Amino acid sequence: QVQLVESGGGVVQPGGSLRLSCAASGFTFSSYGMHWVRQAPGKGLEWVAFIRYDGSNKYYADSVKGRFTISRDNSKNTLYLQMNSLRAEDTAVYYCAKDPPYGYGDYFDYWGQGTLVTVSS
Amino acid sequence: SSELTQDPAVSVALGQTVRITCQGDSLRSYYASWYQQKPGQAPVLVIYGKNNRPSGIPDRFSGSSSGNTASLTITGAQAEDEADYYCNSRDSSGNHLRVFGGGTKLTVL
Repeated sequence: QVQLVESGGGVVQPGGSLRLSCAASGFTFSSYGMHWVRQAPGKGLEWVAFIRYDGSNKYYADSVKGRFTISRDNSKNTLYLQMNSLRAEDTAVYYCAKDPPYGYGDYFDYWGQGTLVTVSS
Repeated sequence: SSELTQDPAVSVALGQTVRITCQGDSLRSYYASWYQQKPGQAPVLVIYGKNNRPSGIPDRFSGSSSGNTASLTITGAQAEDEADYYCNSRDSSGNHLRVFGGGTKLTVL
């Protein structure tokens, strides 16, 4: 069965950096686009970034563009989110989410359980 | 970027039918998907495409769309349906950006 397990969250000071990981199993990771979605405490979901199955194209929300970098290592079945210049408003649970098969539409068919990032001095 | 608008809260009597709506310009071009999220849990996909349910989602959940509005309907709401519901679609710019609605808190009375 599909499993997505995030790690790397924690407490970081404003202006600091953190790298999140998402370990994937139960499907052919290298064939699927992947996303990061976040949720601030008590708030709604916010889409953060997308990477194509082969890493050739990446897309970002305006709120993180230029500060966050999405990447993947298909040999390790792992998705990453490098977060730099962190701000208090980046405090959130970060979820990785899987795209459906290519051409099947735009949705997130599986989600991880999330990892909490807290930006605070 | 585009926006999706949802009512913040909706309530329904046990066993009755409720419709949760999502409005936005991007919905004229792209289907919405719907996610259920219970407290402390990750979101779960409940509806995608024109009106498709993933395996394991009860058939009381259905989706529809008209113009700039997408709807999630729960026919015969159960106590376990009480949750936050979020719509999502591709951004109206046509690239791979995605946008979520603000979410609707469903209370089953």
